[in-house]
Amino acid sequence: GEDVEQSLFLSVREGDSSVINCTYTDSSSTYLYWYKQEPGAGLQLLTYIFSNMDMKQDQRLTVLLNKKDKHLSLRIADTQTGDSAIYFCAESSYSSASKIIFGSGTRLSIRP
Amino acid sequence: GAVVSQHPSRVICKSGTSVKIECRSLDFQATTMFWYRQFPKQSLMLMATSNEGSKATYEQGVEKDKFLINHASLTLSTLTVTSAHPEDSSFYICSAPRAGDRNNEQFFGPGTRLTVL
Repeated sequence: GEDVEQSLFLSVREGDSSVINCTYTDSSSTYLYWYKQEPGAGLQLLTYIFSNMDMKQDQRLTVLLNKKDKHLSLRIADTQTGDSAIYFCAESSYSSASKIIFGSGTRLSIRP
Repeated sequence: GAVVSQHPSRVICKSGTSVKIECRSLDFQATTMFWYRQFPKQSLMLMATSNEGSKATYEQGVEKDKFLINHASLTLSTLTVTSAHPEDSSFYICSAPRAGDRNNEQFFGPGTRLTVL
């Protein structure tokens, strides 16, 4: 079945770049997402990328997709304390319509 | 933007009682809604797909008689946790894609925290 994996924790210094990595198994993945969840809150869609793209940039966020290796990354430039949250990688395939499979989430903590 | 609400945001109930959680799309229609549960410090696990006008589709390992889903209209889906037990305590989140939206973007509700005593 589909599987999405990511590391559980990442700690970066304020002002540095954060890179969160994710791998997935479903070769039919059409959409790949990054969601942010702050403590006690729901999910916020940060960005998504279609499988026919290899990069997408949106302000401080850069998403890189290596479809051959089934590897997705999220880079946050100039990381701020407000970026502290759990970041979920997720995927959905065209064949399954809107069903989304989530990774375990990466907890990003910022140190001064 | 599209907004999805959930009600209640928090509920505490006694073991053996049933709890109903509502998921509403406030400014768009959703023929499909999704129900997830999230344990502390863990990922969201898809429980079921709620289909307007037809039966819900449950993921493997999710008891359909335990988690009753009703998608009564294009803007409302309900999840009823029947005969709740402490192990059902969790954060339940719903999501909905906008009907006809090609981008497949889903909009998530704020979640409902269920605590069963």
